[in-house]
Amino acid sequence: DQQVKQNSPSLSVQEGRISILNCDYTNSMFDYFLWYKKYPAEGPTFLISISSIKDKNEDGRFTVFLNKSAKHLSLHIVPSQPGDSAVYFCAASALSELIFGQGTELSVKP
Amino acid sequence: DTGVSQDPRHKITKRGQNVTFRCDPISEHNRLYWYRQTLGQGPEFLTYFQNEAQLEKSRLLSDRFSAERPKGSFSTLEIQRTEQGDSAMYLCASSFGEGDEKLFFGSGTQLSVL
Repeated sequence: DQQVKQNSPSLSVQEGRISILNCDYTNSMFDYFLWYKKYPAEGPTFLISISSIKDKNEDGRFTVFLNKSAKHLSLHIVPSQPGDSAVYFCAASALSELIFGQGTELSVKP
Repeated sequence: DTGVSQDPRHKITKRGQNVTFRCDPISEHNRLYWYRQTLGQGPEFLTYFQNEAQLEKSRLLSDRFSAERPKGSFSTLEIQRTEQGDSAMYLCASSFGEGDEKLFFGSGTQLSVL
């Protein structure tokens, strides 16, 4: 049973446009959500997070939106840059561990 | 460099052999985690330590797997009698502790079992 799902394995966006990555979860007990970015042959690096008591958090070009009623979160990157090309994982905090989605590979084309 | 470091970066072994990986967390961090990632999947939780105490183990962690953090600093993950299904990226992460959900990951150890 996949508690955190990223249903789009890949996304291709033109440089300068908005990238929207989506994530759905099933467990209403999750209280914290995070996005990680991963380049090949490297470990995931933290990008941005949001507490379940908020519905939006912004950091520069990155904004995370949380819709608790729909159990859905999204990451917006605007404007997208070629260096943003990577695999993006959403994760949800459950007690002492993070549960990750399967990842979405973002490709930003010049 | 004060990040999480893992050694080795790559390990190729034959089925049935034992392997051991090492992780050095960020020095101020009390919690240390082990995750496993296979192709096309997100990292899957294996186990975590609060200082030297191993507080939780996933059901993914079979009896062939053992992790230690003897002095609350570095950690080792040993896999005995490796199987081809153990081939994966093994990731270590650390954090300050309870209430800090942000994990810092190392670059991982890529294990290939032939």
